[in-house]
Amino acid sequence: NAGVTQTPKFRVLKTGQSMTLLCAQDMNHEYMYWYRQDPGMGLRLIHYSVGEGTTAKGEVPDGYNVSRLKKQNFLLGLESAAPSQTSVYFCASSSGGVSYEQYFGPGTRLTVT
Amino acid sequence: KNEVEQSPQNLTAQEGEFITINCSYSVGISALHWLQQHPGGGIVSLFMLSSGKKKHGRLIATINIQEKHSSLHITASHPRDSAVYICAVSGNQFYFGTGTSLTVIP
Repeated sequence: NAGVTQTPKFRVLKTGQSMTLLCAQDMNHEYMYWYRQDPGMGLRLIHYSVGEGTTAKGEVPDGYNVSRLKKQNFLLGLESAAPSQTSVYFCASSSGGVSYEQYFGPGTRLTVT
Repeated sequence: KNEVEQSPQNLTAQEGEFITINCSYSVGISALHWLQQHPGGGIVSLFMLSSGKKKHGRLIATINIQEKHSSLHITASHPRDSAVYICAVSGNQFYFGTGTSLTVIP
């Protein structure tokens, strides 16, 4: 099993460009999450999904959109990238809600210039 | 105010030393998680606990629900233990600490 994978691993964008980050999991997990990690701050939840076809906002959702068309995939979109979105993005999945262990992907390092 | 506070922020130890990392939280929780993040790498879950103590190899995690406090201990530390250790709690959502950066010197 690959666990949780993320594509791409690195990306550099110019301000105003758009991109999509792909997260895939092969553990048949219902719950999937997108976090961002910034220096000196803990992981912050951007959006999450409790099942195929569902999404919900987390702590810092502005500037991002998500979709969960298939159970195994969770996409994070940036429609118009801003330098404030320079960060490392982590995807995670779990079989249940917050009381369940989360499995993290390797991260995507995004730089917006 | 951060819901999860970790101490110390940075820690340097000699190989073989006993290490303790502390985590305090201010919200009601159903579980506490200890995560490990290696430089340039992903994040892995070390422990999930809601009471008492858990042990895995040289790592021990304890939690005191009444005091809202948890500790992660590493016995006989090794350079490969060098990583960032993150405490997270499950309340009505996940709350993450900012991490403790551990360096173990040979």
